[in-house]
Amino acid sequence: DTEVTQTPKHLVMGMTNKKSLKCEQHMGHRAMYWYKQKAKKPPELMFVYSYEKLSINESVPSRFSPECPNSSLLNLHLHALQPEDSALYLCASSQANRHEKLFFGSGTQLSVL
Amino acid sequence: DQQVKQNSPSLSVQEGRISILNCDYTNSMFDYFLWYKKYPAEGPTFLISISSIKDKNEDGRFTVFLNKSAKHLSLHIVPSQPGDSAVYFCAASGGAQKLVFGQGTRLTINP
Repeated sequence: DTEVTQTPKHLVMGMTNKKSLKCEQHMGHRAMYWYKQKAKKPPELMFVYSYEKLSINESVPSRFSPECPNSSLLNLHLHALQPEDSALYLCASSQANRHEKLFFGSGTQLSVL
Repeated sequence: DQQVKQNSPSLSVQEGRISILNCDYTNSMFDYFLWYKKYPAEGPTFLISISSIKDKNEDGRFTVFLNKSAKHLSLHIVPSQPGDSAVYFCAASGGAQKLVFGQGTRLTINP
C-alpha cells in the first residue's frame, strides 16, 4: 500500500466555522507533513511531524492547528480561516530519514467564504 | 528569495521527441535533487532523484543530469508520450527536514 489518503477531497467553509482535514497512511512512515499549494505555485511546507512529534512549524498562523494522534494519522484543524487561506492542502509522508522522498495524498481543495 | 527556480512556466513538445525541463538552484548546501510530477486534482508523485555525488541518473525514459558547478539540473524525457503531460516540479534538499520546490513547468505533449 503506497497510498496517502486525504479526506475530504473538497471543503467549503465560512470564516466562523471549525473543520478538520484528515490524512492517513499505512506505509509505516514515521514522518508526516502538511503542505499548502495555491494555484500555479509550488507546494509550501506548513508542518512536519517526526515520530508523532511536531518538528517543524513554518510560522503558520494559529488558526491552523495540526495533530498527529498516531503514526498513521495526521489531522489539520481549521478555525476562523480567512478567504486567502483558500488553497489545496496536501498531506505527505516519508521514511523518517528520507524526508526528501515524499508520498503525497491527492489533497483537500479548501474554499473559505 | 527563491532558492530553486524553474524559469520556463510551460513547454510544448511533439510526441516521440525529447522533452527537456530545466531547474537552477542557488543554495550550495543542497545535496539531493528530485523531480515530482503532478496531474490536475492529484498530489505530486515522485519521479526521479539524484544525489550531489552523481552527475546523471537514469530510469527508463527519464534521465536527470546535475551540473554542480553551474547549480543546474535538467530532466530529459525520451521519447515523450501524451501521458507525460503534467506539471513538473524540481525540488532540492540540504539535510534539514525541508524540501524546497521550484515553481513548476507545465509540459504539454502534442500528438
